[in-house]
Amino acid sequence: AQSVAQPEDQVNVAEGNPLTVKCTYSVSGNPYLFWYVQYPNRGLQFLLKYITGDNLVKGSYGFEAEFNKSQTSFHLKKPSALVSDSALYFCAVRDPYGGGGNKLTFGTGTQLKVEL
Amino acid sequence: DAGVIQSPRHEVTEMGQEVTLRCKPISGHNSLFWYRQTMMRGLELLIYFNNNVPIDDSGMPEDRFSAKMPNASFSTLKIQPSEPRDSAVYFCASSAPSGADTQYFGPGTRLTVL
Repeated sequence: AQSVAQPEDQVNVAEGNPLTVKCTYSVSGNPYLFWYVQYPNRGLQFLLKYITGDNLVKGSYGFEAEFNKSQTSFHLKKPSALVSDSALYFCAVRDPYGGGGNKLTFGTGTQLKVEL
Repeated sequence: DAGVIQSPRHEVTEMGQEVTLRCKPISGHNSLFWYRQTMMRGLELLIYFNNNVPIDDSGMPEDRFSAKMPNASFSTLKIQPSEPRDSAVYFCASSAPSGADTQYFGPGTRLTVL
């Protein structure tokens, strides 16, 4: 079975400071990992993904995430936060060899609030 | 290129009525997913299709819910009869036939059952 955990319901950051949104996963094999962002009253928007290769993945809007196999983590990061980054962030995982088809398992979401 | 299209964007109905939500996936995508989002339960996968065939409907809450995909460009999610606890935002997503499996979401339908 595949699962993902986002341990923080909310993260508060001052504008200009670095931000980290945490995600850990559990799969039986090598995972496909995704980050999505949801702005109020909108659908989920794809940010970035890790399939294979370089552990540091760069995505939209200056976000990046680092795949750490030993810690089974895929934390989302940005060097300098903007107020406009305030949104709900979802981590998702798929185990391509786990027999679950091509469905993703999403975390519960982390609300990011960037303040002036 | 148009993204995933959902209609209606908002639906208000009374308990007991039939509700039909519609989705048009991105052209060329062969997988389609229906999700429900609520404050209490977060984002839940209800059902997904590959090549118009339902693959996993284990998330469908009960027999009141049904989904169809008659062709590659259209899917419906029907609730009959609707209940107040069905109030939620329903999202449709689609993905391309590749190993990368990025899902692209529609804007959602906000359903309110009175």
